[in-house]
Amino acid sequence: KAGVTQTPRYLIKTRGQQVTLSCSPISGHRSVSWYQQTPGQGLQFLFEYFSETQRNKGNFPGRFSGRQFSNSRSEMNVSTLELGDSALYLCASSLRPWEQFFGPGTRLTVL
Amino acid sequence: GESVGLHLPTLSVQEGDNSIINCAYSNSASDYFIWYKQESGKGPQFIIDIRSNMDKRQGQRVTVLLNKTVKHLSLQIAATQPGDSAVYFCAERDRQGGSEKLVFGKGTKLTVNP
Repeated sequence: KAGVTQTPRYLIKTRGQQVTLSCSPISGHRSVSWYQQTPGQGLQFLFEYFSETQRNKGNFPGRFSGRQFSNSRSEMNVSTLELGDSALYLCASSLRPWEQFFGPGTRLTVL
Repeated sequence: GESVGLHLPTLSVQEGDNSIINCAYSNSASDYFIWYKQESGKGPQFIIDIRSNMDKRQGQRVTVLLNKTVKHLSLQIAATQPGDSAVYFCAERDRQGGSEKLVFGKGTKLTVNP
């Protein structure tokens, strides 16, 4: 069974731009969660989607948003990028609550 | 701030030794904990979990111990191998305001010397 895939793997943007990241969960997994990983703050939860609905949300500003499609694929969007948004963005899918399988991440660099 | 933290940022062991990675948590109401392993260039990988109604849980070469009295969690790796070299995170399920999320510790980097 294929694992979680994320595209693109690397991305470079400039301040003020917006970005959309994509995640394809493991087949059959309906829950998709997004995390931001930085050296300073570590792994921080952004939000979780289940059956196209945001089920849980972390403490990030409204510039960070997401959505989930009927095939469980998910996207997250960051608008008005700031330098501090440079991070590894990880997507995780799960069949059972919180037994999450992570993708390799998208490395976002904001210049 | 984060409610889950780690005592040591790095740990170096010899191949074949047992490794112990520690984690402290501050929310006594936490009822579910997970250990993850993250290798360079990869996403975290689920290792083992434990619920608060248990003190110990064993997997393949790994054991997680939970001490609720002192709010301490540990991961023991038996006969550590070079392939165990990675950053290990503990995570705590946080339930507040009708929302759930996983709160991760900062991580411990384990280096296994041959």
